[in-house]
Amino acid sequence: KAGVTQTPRYLIKTRGQQVTLSCSPISGHRSVSWYQQTPGQGLQFLFEYFSETQRNKGNFPGRFSGRQFSNSRSEMNVSTLELGDSALYLCASSPETLYNEQFFGPGTRLTVL
Amino acid sequence: AQKITQTQPGMFVQEKEAVTLDCTYDTSDPSYGLFWYKQPSSGEMIFLIYQGSYDQQNATEGRYSLNFQKARKSANLVISASQLGDSAMYFCALDSWGKLQFGAGTQVVVTP
Repeated sequence: KAGVTQTPRYLIKTRGQQVTLSCSPISGHRSVSWYQQTPGQGLQFLFEYFSETQRNKGNFPGRFSGRQFSNSRSEMNVSTLELGDSALYLCASSPETLYNEQFFGPGTRLTVL
Repeated sequence: AQKITQTQPGMFVQEKEAVTLDCTYDTSDPSYGLFWYKQPSSGEMIFLIYQGSYDQQNATEGRYSLNFQKARKSANLVISASQLGDSAMYFCALDSWGKLQFGAGTQVVVTP
């Protein structure tokens, strides 16, 4: 089975722009979660989607949004980018088994200039 | 509120030796899961081991074992027979209702 894929792998944007990141989960996985990783704040949960519905949400401003499509692929959007949004954005999919193991993708490294 | 703590920012360990990475947590949920992930410099998070709050036995996966002490709210990872490829950042994570909360991580460097 193919793993979780994320595109693009690297992205450079300027302040004020918006960006869309994409995540394709492992085939058969319906849950997709997004995390932001920065040196200062560490790994923080952004949101989780399951069957096209947002099921969980972390403490991020409304500039961060996401969606999930019927094929379980997910996108994350950040509007009005700020310098502090520079981070590694990780996507994870879960098979919804007993212990909900999450499988991570390679991440998208976003740099905001 | 839930909290997960890794108090060791970094550790050096000699090849072939064992190393223990500390993790303590705080949660009021009766049912939860604890994960350990490895993150090499490439950035990808690699699942290592899982312990459920109701599991009676400590989890083991190859060279990885989890020392789970529920009353003390600790879930320490033991890596036996360290290899050079074990050099990475290690994260403990608490899963509650599908949301993973990560600790700050411990950087492990394995030396020859």
